Amino acid sequence: LAKTTQPISMDSYEGQEVNITCSHNNIATNDYITWYQQFPSQGPRFIIQGYKTKVTNEVASLFIPADRKSSTLSLPRVSLSDTAVYYCLVRDTGGFKTIFGAGTRLFVKA
Amino acid sequence: DSGVTQTPKHLITATGQRVTLRCSPRSGDLSVYWYQQSLDQGLQFLIHYYNGEERAKGNILERFSAQQFPDLHSELNLSSLELGDSALYFCASSALTGGQDTQYFGPGTRLTVL
Repeated sequence: LAKTTQPISMDSYEGQEVNITCSHNNIATNDYITWYQQFPSQGPRFIIQGYKTKVTNEVASLFIPADRKSSTLSLPRVSLSDTAVYYCLVRDTGGFKTIFGAGTRLFVKA
Repeated sequence: DSGVTQTPKHLITATGQRVTLRCSPRSGDLSVYWYQQSLDQGLQFLIHYYNGEERAKGNILERFSAQQFPDLHSELNLSSLELGDSALYFCASSALTGGQDTQYFGPGTRLTVL
């Protein structure tokens, strides 16, 4: 069963770069790594997805080492509005279950 | 706006009752997922449907059931409600079913059981 491990919480200041690392030791060959952002009382929102190496979009970058047993979400120059819970997600190796981890609660301070 | 709609937005009911939550996926998406999120908890996967067929089950109680209809909308039925069933229930949809699928979440239904 694929499982992810992330830090429970992180603090940062406005304008800083934030890196959140997720461990997924049992990731399956066909699985992609997806990150979501969730604000209180809202549904999670897709941020970025990748399979290996580096992926970048207008919001974030995702770094995945060759062994794919971890991934790092990088948020450049965070603002107060980036305060949220961030989840990394890999698909259950046994089928189509979707297992969200506990997430990382990011708090951005002024 | 993700394109996924959920109704109702809020639901207040009593223990022992039965409720139905409705989800309309994004246009063209064949997969629908249901999740439960209790206060300050993570997202618990309940069930996944693809084009009308059940694909995977998570920790879904026997009191809960779901279905996906030919028009691809889905309903989650919760019966014999207990206080502990109070939570946010999210529906998500995606176009694929494999490891690359990106799930788009609806705004959720907040269920309060009194």
